[in-house]
Amino acid sequence: NAGVTQTPKFQVLKTGQSMTLQCAQDMNHEYMSWYRQDPGMGLRLIHYSVGAGITDQGEVPNGYNVSRSTTEDFPLRLLSAAPSQTSVYFCASGYRDTSYEQYFGPGTRLTVT
Amino acid sequence: KNEVEQSPQNLTAQEGEFITINCSYSVGISALHWLQQHPGGGIVSLFMLSSGKKKHGRLIATINIQEKHSSLHITASHPRDSAVYICAVRSSGTASKLTFGTGTRLQVTL
Repeated sequence: NAGVTQTPKFQVLKTGQSMTLQCAQDMNHEYMSWYRQDPGMGLRLIHYSVGAGITDQGEVPNGYNVSRSTTEDFPLRLLSAAPSQTSVYFCASGYRDTSYEQYFGPGTRLTVT
Repeated sequence: KNEVEQSPQNLTAQEGEFITINCSYSVGISALHWLQQHPGGGIVSLFMLSSGKKKHGRLIATINIQEKHSSLHITASHPRDSAVYICAVRSSGTASKLTFGTGTRLQVTL
């Protein structure tokens, strides 16, 4: 099993550009989530999904969109990148909800100039 | 005040020392996770606890629900234990949300 994969590993964007961060898992997990990690702060939840076709907002959803058309994939879209979105982004998955072990992807380091 | 507080923020130990990292939280929870973030950035789940104590190799995690406190212990520490250790809680009634502490950076030297 590949586990949770994320692409790209690094990305530099200019303000206003859009892009999609990819996340995929091959463990048949229902629950998938996106977090951002900023210096001096804990990981913060952006969006999450409890199954295909179901998504919901976390604590910092503004500027991001998600969709879950399959169990395996959970892409995160930045609609119009801003310098405040410079961060490291982690995708995670687990069975059903967060009372189960969470498996994290390797992260995407995004810089917006 | 953050919902999840970890202490210490930074910790330096010599190889072989017994290490304790603390996590206090202010809300009712149904689960607590301990995670390890390697210097390269990858995050690995160490434990998920809802009560009592769990042990895996040299790592021991305990939780006291009444006192809203958990500890992660590392026995016979080794330089490869150097990492950031993160505590996260699942609040009661919020099955899909984890709240994370800011982490404890551990450096184990020879």
